[in-house]
Amino acid sequence: DAGVIQSPRHEVTEMGQEVTLRCKPISGHDYLFWYRQTMMRGLELLIYFNNNVPIDDSGMPEDRFSAKMPNASFSTLKIQPSEPRDSAVYFCASSRQDPGKNIQYFGAGTRLSVL
Amino acid sequence: QQPVQSPQAVILREGEDAVINCSSSKALYSVHWYRQKHGEAPVFLMILLKGGEQKGHEKISASFNEKKQQSSLYLTASQLSYSGTYFCGTLTNNDMRFGAGTRLTVKP
Repeated sequence: DAGVIQSPRHEVTEMGQEVTLRCKPISGHDYLFWYRQTMMRGLELLIYFNNNVPIDDSGMPEDRFSAKMPNASFSTLKIQPSEPRDSAVYFCASSRQDPGKNIQYFGAGTRLSVL
Repeated sequence: QQPVQSPQAVILREGEDAVINCSSSKALYSVHWYRQKHGEAPVFLMILLKGGEQKGHEKISASFNEKKQQSSLYLTASQLSYSGTYFCGTLTNNDMRFGAGTRLTVKP
């Protein structure tokens, strides 16, 4: 299995621009998670999906952030408009049914820099 | 709510032991442990479930005290490859939160 695939690996953009991060979960996994990691705040859960349906988006910082999962093999996290404080590493992870009992497999992450 | 990890950082010599603690203010369904090396993604180490079931690998063990809502990760006879940041993740009511991490450095 190829694992969780994220793209791009690095993204540099200017303040005000739209940014779209992409994730392909492991085939057969029912749960997909988006995390943001910064030195100040650590690893934060932004949103997670179960069977393509958003379950909890309470971690999404504000309306500038949105996430979609149109099918079982693809998800996007969009920031519009982007701000310098959005600079972070964004991870996508997936797991089998019942994430409490199953391993979360993380993608390599997308390092976002907003200038 | 984010679980609390301690210590924040620890430095060891090869062969020494270390304990990393994780506590929550909420009743826990499970505790997950991950290790992250600099510039890489977190990698699974261990899951501890309410009731005593464990899933893990490597020469790492952990405990889960359900009543105290605490977990500890035990690293024995540390190796250079153990260096990294260790995160505990706690699951309560389908809400997964990670601690701030413990930076472990193993020196020769």
